[in-house]
Amino acid sequence: AQSVTQPDIHITVSEGASLELRCNYSYGATPYLFWYVQSPGQGLQLLLKYFSGDTLVQGIKGFEAEFKRSQSSFNLRKPSVHWSDAAEYFCAVGESNSGYSTLTFGKGTMLLVSP
Amino acid sequence: NAGVTQTPKFRILKIGQSMTLQCAQDMNHNYMYWYRQDPGMGLKLIYYSVGAGITDKGEVPNGYNVSRSTTEDFPLRLELAAPSQTSVYFCASTYRGGDEAFFGQGTRLTVV
Repeated sequence: AQSVTQPDIHITVSEGASLELRCNYSYGATPYLFWYVQSPGQGLQLLLKYFSGDTLVQGIKGFEAEFKRSQSSFNLRKPSVHWSDAAEYFCAVGESNSGYSTLTFGKGTMLLVSP
Repeated sequence: NAGVTQTPKFRILKIGQSMTLQCAQDMNHNYMYWYRQDPGMGLKLIYYSVGAGITDKGEVPNGYNVSRSTTEDFPLRLELAAPSQTSVYFCASTYRGGDEAFFGQGTRLTVV
């Protein structure tokens, strides 16, 4: 079965600084990879996804992620963080043996933005 | 479009009581999911459905039941509520597997 590891439980970044959130996955085939964001008291919203092709994926709100097969990683980046980016971020991998019909989520990384 | 609508938003249950969490989507999505979210644990899949009349267990199905009689609705039933079922429950839907999942705003359930 696939698994997703987000090694950082909390990250604090100064407003205007760059951000990188780490995600490692365990999966045999080419995975479907996702990043979701959750604001307090809300459901999850898709930031970006990778299926195939260009390994650098652009998403909403200025986020991007890079798929690195050799490192089994799909790290999320943003060049300049805004206070409104404070939220919890989840990496997820799609399961292929059921037609990618289910997702496995990481435990999440809470992003705090300092002034 | 309302997207994915969950009711209720909050509920307190006593041990042994039962209840149904409602989930409805108006996007004509084929796939629907129920997750539970516990602090620091991410989201765990409880049940999912790939179409009306078809349901399957996820990672943590014990203590729950689902049905999918229509494309729009996917209720989650808790029988004999236990404190371990205290959690935030999210319903989600996709048009097909691998697509963007749309989430409801969640139901916060406390079992005392």
